[in-house]
Amino acid sequence: GESVGLHLPTLSVQEGDNSIINCAYSNSASDYFIWYKQESGKGPQFIIDIRSNMDKRQGQRVTVLLNKTVKHLSLQIAATQPGDSAVYFCAERGRNTGFQKLVFGTGTRLLVSP
Amino acid sequence: DVKVTQSSRYLVKRTGEKVFLECVQDMDHENMFWYRQDPGLGLRLIYFSYDVKMKEKGDIPEGYSVSREKKERFSLILESASTNQTSMYLCASSHSGARGNQPQHFGDGTRLSIL
Repeated sequence: GESVGLHLPTLSVQEGDNSIINCAYSNSASDYFIWYKQESGKGPQFIIDIRSNMDKRQGQRVTVLLNKTVKHLSLQIAATQPGDSAVYFCAERGRNTGFQKLVFGTGTRLLVSP
Repeated sequence: DVKVTQSSRYLVKRTGEKVFLECVQDMDHENMFWYRQDPGLGLRLIYFSYDVKMKEKGDIPEGYSVSREKKERFSLILESASTNQTSMYLCASSHSGARGNQPQHFGDGTRLSIL
């Protein structure tokens, strides 16, 4: 399969474990954050988003936590499955961007073992 | 579901050729984007468009141009392809900011090789 990053940080977990993927952002003016999943050979797929007026948002098996004090974003995946294996990356939008322009992180590779 | 379709999954071209990459979205999105994705560099914005016939430079526009003649279609043009433009190209679309914060939705990419 294709690789989106040769030297990405990698998180290896067992099937059924909970996974936590972290992302640090630098722009304190960012007001909107998104997590994407990218499987080999595919484009990034939207997972979940959160606005800066929130600190937690839950989806199906996923939770995003936002800590604006330390400019940190995390994605928690419950009961990780082999199909969750992919590269995950965060994206942020600056409040002063005036447009839906996003800045993307380089990603973390999640490997799930059966 | 949002569908963003890129015309080619793989493309091989020669140095100096003019290359067209096509992208179509079916969700009536106002905004469309072109990125390139390279190992270790993440996604870098080449150009974007917030309306028909409108375009704005992104972070790395040099060597590229775009065309948006219809709302659903956004084309990326490599005027004279060079080997450093070998990359994965990703198209994305989203609703305008007037609807609040909106995620971008991506196509599956075109892997372009310039020989």
